Amino acid sequence: DGGITQSPKYLFRKEGQNVTLSCEQNLNHDAMYWYRQDPGQGLRLIYYSQIVNDFQKGDIAEGYSVSREKKESFPLTVTSAQKNPTAFYLCASSPQGLSGRWYEQYFGPGTRLTVT
Amino acid sequence: DAKTTQPNSMESNEEEPVHLPCNHSTISGTDYIHWYRQLPSQGPEYVIHGLTSNVNNRMASLAIAEDRKSSTLILHRATLRDAAVYYCILRDVVDAGGTSYGKLTFGQGTILTVHP
Repeated sequence: DGGITQSPKYLFRKEGQNVTLSCEQNLNHDAMYWYRQDPGQGLRLIYYSQIVNDFQKGDIAEGYSVSREKKESFPLTVTSAQKNPTAFYLCASSPQGLSGRWYEQYFGPGTRLTVT
Repeated sequence: DAKTTQPNSMESNEEEPVHLPCNHSTISGTDYIHWYRQLPSQGPEYVIHGLTSNVNNRMASLAIAEDRKSSTLILHRATLRDAAVYYCILRDVVDAGGTSYGKLTFGQGTILTVHP
């Protein structure tokens, strides 16, 4: 089955701890994304990666870090510097294309992080 | 970024058609109109997209106004499984070295309730 997996589904951490969220895809997509969703709100882009060993900040990157050592994997670390880390985190991927081409994004099931 | 405006919520009865409106008065000539939906506690899923002409697929139809300042997502026969938050999104293309990535900017969307 092709798709995106995120683990775990629920994650609980104490304030001040770093935590890493997993995202794996077997769709052979070049581009991967991390979004954050707060209750009743839309998604906001944290980081994105167009290719292995390269990633760019999105709209709300402060307090987060990522790596892209493999095409299939794009883990997100929520650091202690993130002021309000409790949220629903969604990973997505899409094929990479030439300028002007459009591709849909495929989303994982999400990880709900609670920090107390 | 060009913005979209959607009603906060809409209701429908099962088996009836649903018309979900979206206003995007500042749309640029190269913006694609995308629709995604998000079921409770899940990641969003792609529904449909279009540029200028009306579009149909197995999930829905997309009607685009002639001036492209508005569009309507049409679910021909709503089912209980269609109850979700529907997002109308204009694709913001960012060029980087000849390739592009599809940054999706999500608003709050329309909460669709389907009554049995």
